[in-house]
Amino acid sequence: AQSVAQPEDQVNVAEGNPLTVKCTYSVSGNPYLFWYVQYPNRGLQFLLKYITGDNLVKGSYGFEAEFNKSQTSFHLKKPSALVSDSALYFCAVRDGMIKAAGNKLTFGGGTRVLVKP
Amino acid sequence: DTGVSQNPRHKITKRGQNVTFRCDPISEHNRLYWYRQTLGQGPEFLTYFQNEAQLEKSRLLSDRFSAERPKGSFSTLEIQRTEQGDSAMYLCASSASGGTYEQYFGPGTRLTVT
Repeated sequence: AQSVAQPEDQVNVAEGNPLTVKCTYSVSGNPYLFWYVQYPNRGLQFLLKYITGDNLVKGSYGFEAEFNKSQTSFHLKKPSALVSDSALYFCAVRDGMIKAAGNKLTFGGGTRVLVKP
Repeated sequence: DTGVSQNPRHKITKRGQNVTFRCDPISEHNRLYWYRQTLGQGPEFLTYFQNEAQLEKSRLLSDRFSAERPKGSFSTLEIQRTEQGDSAMYLCASSASGGTYEQYFGPGTRLTVT
């Protein structure tokens, strides 16, 4: 079975400060990892993914994430947060062994980010 | 290029009624997914289509739920005999085959069962 944990329900950060949103995962095969952002009354927007290769992946809106296999983590980061980054962030995983998990994504419970001016 | 669209955006129904939602995926995507999201939770997988074939169904998808994708383009999700516990946001997503893996989500249909 695949699972995702986002240990923080909410992260508060001042505008201009670094932002980190934590995610840990569990899969039986190779992990395919994703970050999505959700604004109020809207669907999820894809930010970035890790499939293979460089452990540091860059995505939309200045976000990046670091894959750490030994710690089974995929934390989302942004060097300088903006007020407009305030939203709900979801980490998701898919097991790379297609037969094991099909194509479904398993999501974490979400982390609300509040960036204060 | 238009994204994933869903209709209606909101649906209020009385317990026991049937409801149907529609999803139009990104035109070149052959994979389509339905998820359910309740307040304060992450989306939960319901079912997955590749072209017109329904390849995977979650145990969350009780026999009151049925999904179709008859021509491999748009999809419908029907809930029969709705219950208050069915109140949620129903999200549709699509993806391309061939190694891109990310799914693109529509705005969702918010169902309220009174």
